[in-house]
Amino acid sequence: GQQLNQSPQSMFIQEGEDVSMNCTSSSIFNTWLWYKQDPGEGPVLLIALYKAGELTSNGRLTAQFGITRKDSFLNISASIPSDVGIYFCAGREGSQGNLIFGKGTKLSVKP
Amino acid sequence: DAMVIQNPRYQVTQFGKPVTLSCSQTLNHNVMYWYQQKSSQAPKLLFHYYDKDFNNEADTPDNFQSRRPNTSFCFLDIRSPGLGDAAMYLCATSRAWAPGLAGGETQYFGPGTRLLVL
Repeated sequence: GQQLNQSPQSMFIQEGEDVSMNCTSSSIFNTWLWYKQDPGEGPVLLIALYKAGELTSNGRLTAQFGITRKDSFLNISASIPSDVGIYFCAGREGSQGNLIFGKGTKLSVKP
Repeated sequence: DAMVIQNPRYQVTQFGKPVTLSCSQTLNHNVMYWYQQKSSQAPKLLFHYYDKDFNNEADTPDNFQSRRPNTSFCFLDIRSPGLGDAAMYLCATSRAWAPGLAGGETQYFGPGTRLLVL
């Protein structure tokens, strides 16, 4: 089935650094969602994107829906220790169908 | 102001002993989903309800069943848990299934129930 290629798989950065992660698909998506999951908790929606080219911010987070509709990125500026967690991208192709998840990017922030 | 609530947060059961996990929502969303998530993996969809219509994923084992008695509640029944069923079980909801209304299909997750099978 369809899979998303999410990279990097893990990141270990210094507090204050900016972070960038992305997801790519082999087919066109109509929706891109970015979630953050803390250990032992459910994923929390960070940003939702519904139009090609859309650029949306949520505090220090910025995500974009790629113009080709086959990719999306998430940037975190000036990282802080509470940014630690696993970030999942998820997308939906077409007007029907399940939400497809990437394998996640594990972010570690060193104070 | 919790929106998607899962109980219990941790559940321990014995091999082969039926177990039920519950989910409730205060969002009045039409769609409710159950996902299984194993360590370091993405959530895997088991099934979903659109209102009262049940939709099972093709690769969901028969051991997993679900009930949705009303809009607010949805249950996951594992009839005979095996060691391989130990995982985090996530409930999610969305207003719609198809993106006819922008954002309607966005899924909101509960905190999950961690299932341990002894």
